[in-house]
Amino acid sequence: TQLLEQSPQFLSIQEGENLTVYCNSSSVFSSLQWYRQEPGEGPVLLVTVVTGGEVKKLKRLTFQFGDARKDSSLHITAAQPGDTGLYLCAGVEGGAQKLVFGQGTRLTINP
Amino acid sequence: DTEVTQTPKHLVMGMTNKKSLKCEQHMGHRAMYWYKQKAKKPPELMFVYSYEKLSINESVPSRFSPECPNSSLLNLHLHALQPEDSALYLCASSQDPGVSLYNYGYTFGSGTRLTVV
Repeated sequence: TQLLEQSPQFLSIQEGENLTVYCNSSSVFSSLQWYRQEPGEGPVLLVTVVTGGEVKKLKRLTFQFGDARKDSSLHITAAQPGDTGLYLCAGVEGGAQKLVFGQGTRLTINP
Repeated sequence: DTEVTQTPKHLVMGMTNKKSLKCEQHMGHRAMYWYKQKAKKPPELMFVYSYEKLSINESVPSRFSPECPNSSLLNLHLHALQPEDSALYLCASSQDPGVSLYNYGYTFGSGTRLTVV
């Protein structure tokens, strides 16, 4: 089983600050995906990265896939309270039939 | 329709009860999944259905019994559960279990919060 390690596991910062969340593995993934989950709801897909070195931007969120396709990062600029949630990275495994999830980063943005 | 609908949203059941969770999607997706999520943990895969056939069972105890009556519907039948089975049960779908999963990921439902007493 390919493992994904996320860091940090918990992050609490003030509104307006910048932050970066990391997702690392010793294995190569065909693609990595980032999801955000709010309490009592299912995860919602934010982005998929499939090409080594790829960078995607979603408003204040920037996602990067490592050149070797073993790691990814999520950078949030000028964080807002609405960014609070559980951020999960996930990779495609096992003949592309399922996703493997990282442990998640619980992000809290304080007003 | 771009949603996965799960019912019920909340369920409390005794250890001798039989209940079912329901999941429905009308996006034409041909792969459907059941995940279990404990508090403060990531989702853990239970079952994968590909073109209405069970393709992956992650060694789930037989007290959980999945069923896929048609391409839009996925059920999870529950019988003789234990308190430790209390969790958020998430259903997800993807266009197919192959290349589309790489590119488009999952669409998740909002989950069923199950409490076993």
